[in-house]
Amino acid sequence: DIQLTQSPSFLSASVGDRVTITCRASQGISTYLAWYQQKPGKAPKLLIYAASTLQSGVPSRFSGSGSGTEFTLTISSLQPEDFATYYCQQLNSYPNTFGQGTKLEIK
Amino acid sequence: EVQLLESGGGLVQPGGSLRLSCAASGFSFSSYVMNWVRQAPGKGLEWVSGISGSSSRTYYADSVKGRFTSSRDNAKNTLYLQMNSLRAEDTAVYYCAKDLTVTRGLDYWGQGTLVTVSS
Repeated sequence: DIQLTQSPSFLSASVGDRVTITCRASQGISTYLAWYQQKPGKAPKLLIYAASTLQSGVPSRFSGSGSGTEFTLTISSLQPEDFATYYCQQLNSYPNTFGQGTKLEIK
Repeated sequence: EVQLLESGGGLVQPGGSLRLSCAASGFSFSSYVMNWVRQAPGKGLEWVSGISGSSSRTYYADSVKGRFTSSRDNAKNTLYLQMNSLRAEDTAVYYCAKDLTVTRGLDYWGQGTLVTVSS
């Protein structure tokens, strides 16, 4: 099975900051990677698929990049509603594993 | 509007069984791979199972293989997860989720149903 490791696991930042979350795969997955945002008590929301394609309706301050084994999610200017937990997921092969999550907190 | 509504969660004893359902509407259900994803209390997401539109292919996480079975009834637009030999570590909120397309991610999720395995 493909393992995904996110870093950092916790991130403290302020409104207006630029933040980057990294997801590393244990083997190459091309660009078969998705990013999700989850707020407490809610279902996850798809932000980015195919490593860099913004899902419809997602603000342009979110962006994704990478291929192979290293991927990043960047939020260009944090807004209050962006404080949440973020997960990556690989869709290259089953089981479609998730990273362990990155909790983004307000500084 | 796409809607996914899970049901069937509850309290079950270790070793017991439970069947979850996910009623889908607002899209061509039979055309999409459907998934189950779970989240233990205070923990991260764990992909559990996927099933193709025609039910010809099913996939499972190692942690549930041989105990859980995904199925679907396209005439009823409903997805199922039969869970047998339940363990305490299966306690989680279970979400059903629709594939955007194969390999693209999960674009719609239900609200989740809580399964608690405890004596």
